[in-house]
Amino acid sequence: ETGVTQTPRHLVMGMTNKKSLKCEQHLGHNAMYWYKQSAKKPLELMFVYNFKEQTENNSVPSRFSPECPNSSHLFLHLHTLQPEDSALYLCASSQDLQINEKLFFGSGTQLSVL
Amino acid sequence: AQSVTQLGSHVSVSEGALVLLRCNYSSSVPPYLFWYVQYPNQGLQLLLKYTTGATLVKGINGFEAEFKKSETSFHLTKPSAHMSDAAEYFCAVRGANAGGTSYGKLTFGQGTILTVHP
Repeated sequence: ETGVTQTPRHLVMGMTNKKSLKCEQHLGHNAMYWYKQSAKKPLELMFVYNFKEQTENNSVPSRFSPECPNSSHLFLHLHTLQPEDSALYLCASSQDLQINEKLFFGSGTQLSVL
Repeated sequence: AQSVTQLGSHVSVSEGALVLLRCNYSSSVPPYLFWYVQYPNQGLQLLLKYTTGATLVKGINGFEAEFKKSETSFHLTKPSAHMSDAAEYFCAVRGANAGGTSYGKLTFGQGTILTVHP
């Protein structure tokens, strides 16, 4: 139990669907992240939020829309995805953006786009 | 700019044998280096990290890694493998400014799957 909870654990959606991934952290952290983990590829940083403000968008397509209503919650809204978007989506948090800060990861949402 | 290369996507060892997982990095600034482990159906957990100071870093579960600047390496080792060590291991690098405080994107390697045979 890392203190970072992601729901749902598994999601299957069609290309025309709209769905959302949820992440919640109970650690009192100020920074939250979305990562994409695809088979045989390095983890890809998607978005970074610090104190609810987006500090990094790593050239992510607009069909992925993040939302951070407060420091404890992070959402990833999905719309008109492509099959190549199928992957494990990991949420992480850290106390802040200091360089030596440890990231705490959730268990991820395994997304399949049909 | 930073990058990480993990040599070998799969490593297989016998229980009790030495574990060696290789990681080489490139960074234009002094690096901070991390090893994370991912057990099946779980997120990543920090094993150990190198920031400054002693180049041999000890982590959880008996793992350790040595930062070798001349070789740009940060290999992960464990003297004796246990069945519970079977997992995927990720090396990651983050760049530091002179004060060691600036935020840099955490760049991960492709991961190495460790299999431990009885």
